[in-house]
Amino acid sequence: GESVGLHLPTLSVQEGDNSIINCAYSNSASDYFIWYKQESGKGPQFIIDIRSNMDKRQGQRVTVLLNKTVKHLSLQIAATQPGDSAVYFCAENVGGYSTLTFGKGTMLLVSP
Amino acid sequence: NAGVTQTPKFQVLKTGQSMTLQCAQDMNHEYMSWYRQDPGMGLRLIHYSVGAGITDQGEVPNGYNVSRSTTEDFPLRLLSAAPSQTSVYFCASSTSRGGHLSYNEQFFGPGTRLTVL
Repeated sequence: GESVGLHLPTLSVQEGDNSIINCAYSNSASDYFIWYKQESGKGPQFIIDIRSNMDKRQGQRVTVLLNKTVKHLSLQIAATQPGDSAVYFCAENVGGYSTLTFGKGTMLLVSP
Repeated sequence: NAGVTQTPKFQVLKTGQSMTLQCAQDMNHEYMSWYRQDPGMGLRLIHYSVGAGITDQGEVPNGYNVSRSTTEDFPLRLLSAAPSQTSVYFCASSTSRGGHLSYNEQFFGPGTRLTVL
């Protein structure tokens, strides 16, 4: 598998728990944010996105919260399942271009 | 619909060798990009293209060349490989440049793991 997990912060949870993964972004001009999931040996997969004119957005079992005051983004996963085990990345985008700046990632480990 | 495909999946090079990493998408996406992923570093943008004939540099472009002669293909060239280029390389595509338009998600390929000895 990939060695992308080395040196990453790790969150360990039990199956069924709710998980919260945090991300601090750096550019106050960023106006679009995305969460990606990356399983071992695979490319990143889109989970959910949010624009800077929103504070919260919900998807299926996932919620993204945006706090622009402190430049903080979080991903909440409800009823975490073993299949949710992966590395999660936040990414930010400054309006006008599809160039993403990625965070370093957090590894989520879900125990049965 | 194959999405974004990358070849090869694995490659070992010696220092100084050259090679091309291939990337193709069949979704008629205008925007394509190359990232490299190193342990603990997240993904870093190497080069990107907003359409055929147009390319631009990302965060870490040195040592890499790109071209975009067709909408479908976006190859990444290493002219003289160095050990510092050992990494996993991901190609991505999307339909929009973002901005005032709705940003469309980037679709990533499965990656190419490159080792330079």
